[in-house]
Amino acid sequence: GESVGLHLPTLSVQEGDNSIINCAYSNSASDYFIWYKQESGKGPQFIIDIRSNMDKRQGQRVTVLLNKTVKHLSLQIAATQPGDSAVYFCAENGGGYNKLIFGAGTRLAVHP
Amino acid sequence: IAGITQAPTSQILAAGRRMTLRCTQDMRHNAMYWYRQDLGLGLRLIHYSNTAGTTGKGEVPDGYSVSRANTDDFPLTLASAVPSQTSVYFCASSTDQGQTQYFGPGTRLLVL
Repeated sequence: GESVGLHLPTLSVQEGDNSIINCAYSNSASDYFIWYKQESGKGPQFIIDIRSNMDKRQGQRVTVLLNKTVKHLSLQIAATQPGDSAVYFCAENGGGYNKLIFGAGTRLAVHP
Repeated sequence: IAGITQAPTSQILAAGRRMTLRCTQDMRHNAMYWYRQDLGLGLRLIHYSNTAGTTGKGEVPDGYSVSRANTDDFPLTLASAVPSQTSVYFCASSTDQGQTQYFGPGTRLLVL
């Protein structure tokens, strides 16, 4: 079956550094991708999305890069802050428009 | 604007009991979703609804039922709870199918 980043690794960064969180997807039919942030005890919060007709999209301190050739998605966070500490999920719509498929997530730990 | 609210926040339930998790959104979104989140497995779709009056099955629908009598409410019912339904349940909504999904705060359910 399709998979989106099934492992839950931890990325540790120093405050002020840039963070890069990676995600591999397996369904080449996916044309919409989303990054979510989930803080402890809360629901996932939308960060940024990108459609397959784009390679890059920027938000406030965040950039999403999409490489369709190798089915890879990344989230870059500039000047990482303690408030960025959370689990980050990527999701794809490979299963159809109603069926976002989520990865297990990556935990980002920001150290002072 | 409250966004999406879920109730209860948490619940301990005896196996075999019936339980309804409530979800209400005030954004007039057409589509709504129910997910469960388990450690190491990410978010898995239980049921969804594209619009009031219609529902569909997600990845893990067994043991759960939903209804969508109106735009705002999307309750999830466990007819006879089992311990494997211990999880955190998230409700989400989007303007229409295929659009960004926004999540509620979650319901933590423990079935003993």
